[in-house]
Amino acid sequence: DAGITQSPRHKVTETGTPVTLRCHQTENHRYMYWYRQDPGHGLRLIHYSYGVKDTDKGEVSDGYSVSRSKTEDFLLTLESATSSQTSVYFCAISARDRGLWGYTFGSGTRLTVV
Amino acid sequence: GEDVEQSLFLSVREGDSSVINCTYTDSSSTYLYWYKQEPGAGLQLLTYIFSNMDMKQDQRLTVLLNKKDKHLSLRIADTQTGDSAIYFCAESRNSGNTPLVFGKGTRLSVIA
Repeated sequence: DAGITQSPRHKVTETGTPVTLRCHQTENHRYMYWYRQDPGHGLRLIHYSYGVKDTDKGEVSDGYSVSRSKTEDFLLTLESATSSQTSVYFCAISARDRGLWGYTFGSGTRLTVV
Repeated sequence: GEDVEQSLFLSVREGDSSVINCTYTDSSSTYLYWYKQEPGAGLQLLTYIFSNMDMKQDQRLTVLLNKKDKHLSLRIADTQTGDSAIYFCAESRNSGNTPLVFGKGTRLSVIA
């Protein structure tokens, strides 16, 4: 286990409020990713980070921002939550698994925007 | 652009073989992965194949790659009820840290 924890695990919030999801890793991995999972869409990349203060956009980045001020934490912020952002959010790190670079995922955050 | 396609559902009887198919469009894909997601959990790496391979076997799992047709398949022999999950195909252009592109996932249901 690469020691990834996501918090909170569940959250219900109101439309228009800001929300921050946290991904924490304990093994000093450089690359971290945020995906959202929706029925019929699979996993879609929101943002990713390749180092402290180095981030880039994914295919569904509108309405989201990220920050990485230290290696172990990658924060995803919904500036003003909308109902279309109701989803399950997964954080991942890129690490060697059986000799191959691959992803290790957190357990996910289920976000409901009402 | 990159796109990965999978059928959404598959139902098999316990003890039979399951075959989950995936097609991709990026001819520069170097690594192709299969991930498994059990209910309420994140994805776990199941197996992978390099683009210069045709087949890889790992216990009950067999991965076949047809690079010409950009077709990948995952065969699970002697499917068990514990294999019920969503299976995701994913591709990457290199072994480093290029973000993976995932298919929509195939939900495998195993009937006892």
